[in-house]
Amino acid sequence: GAGVSQSPRYKVAKRGQDVALRCDPISGHVSLFWYQQALGQGPEFLTYFQNEAQLDKSGLPSDRFFAERPEGSVSTLKIQRTQQEDSAVYLCASSLGEMNTEAFFGQGTRLTVV
Amino acid sequence: QQQVKQSPQSLIVQKGGISIINCAYENTAFDYFPWYQQFPGKGPALLIAIRPDVSEKKEGRFTISFNKSAKQFSLHIMDSQPGDSATYFCAATIGGSNYKLTFGKGTLLTVNP
Repeated sequence: GAGVSQSPRYKVAKRGQDVALRCDPISGHVSLFWYQQALGQGPEFLTYFQNEAQLDKSGLPSDRFFAERPEGSVSTLKIQRTQQEDSAVYLCASSLGEMNTEAFFGQGTRLTVV
Repeated sequence: QQQVKQSPQSLIVQKGGISIINCAYENTAFDYFPWYQQFPGKGPALLIAIRPDVSEKKEGRFTISFNKSAKQFSLHIMDSQPGDSATYFCAATIGGSNYKLTFGKGTLLTVNP
């Protein structure tokens, strides 16, 4: 595709439910990032992949959050036992090089936990 | 601790006017300062960026001014247009890259026709 694609665009989950958010980066992009954007806030870093390797997961807020990129392309962010405070837009970004090239963001997945 | 503070929270400007958004940072290790533009329902898109070895960078109607001693930088949008209406985020990183961006809280800019 032409850009970073995320699905679903919207997800409503009941508290305690597990969710999986998908990111299709731009083809050939080595780096992939996940960010969390709460309402009215700037995005906050969650985790970083270089190909299939998760090199930084320092921003994941709890052990309920898990991300993977098994073949170095598509990535999935999984949230277990969702809580109301998990409600946010989850943004995925990819970049061509390892770190020093422009990151392109997807449209995000808006997660609402009820 | 908010490492990048952005103001104002919202801004209304008339068409043709100058829009100014300010940011201040705490961490002196930051060495790359990009600005992102975000339209409703879209992800942020890189607008313009500056490194601390220069005090100003201009790209078309968009200019970043950087004051290293004050740890402040600002975005100026000249001849603002209704199509510029969006949320603008300043950000900062360490290592001169787009890795692990630290964003401000954003400024909602409205340009009236």
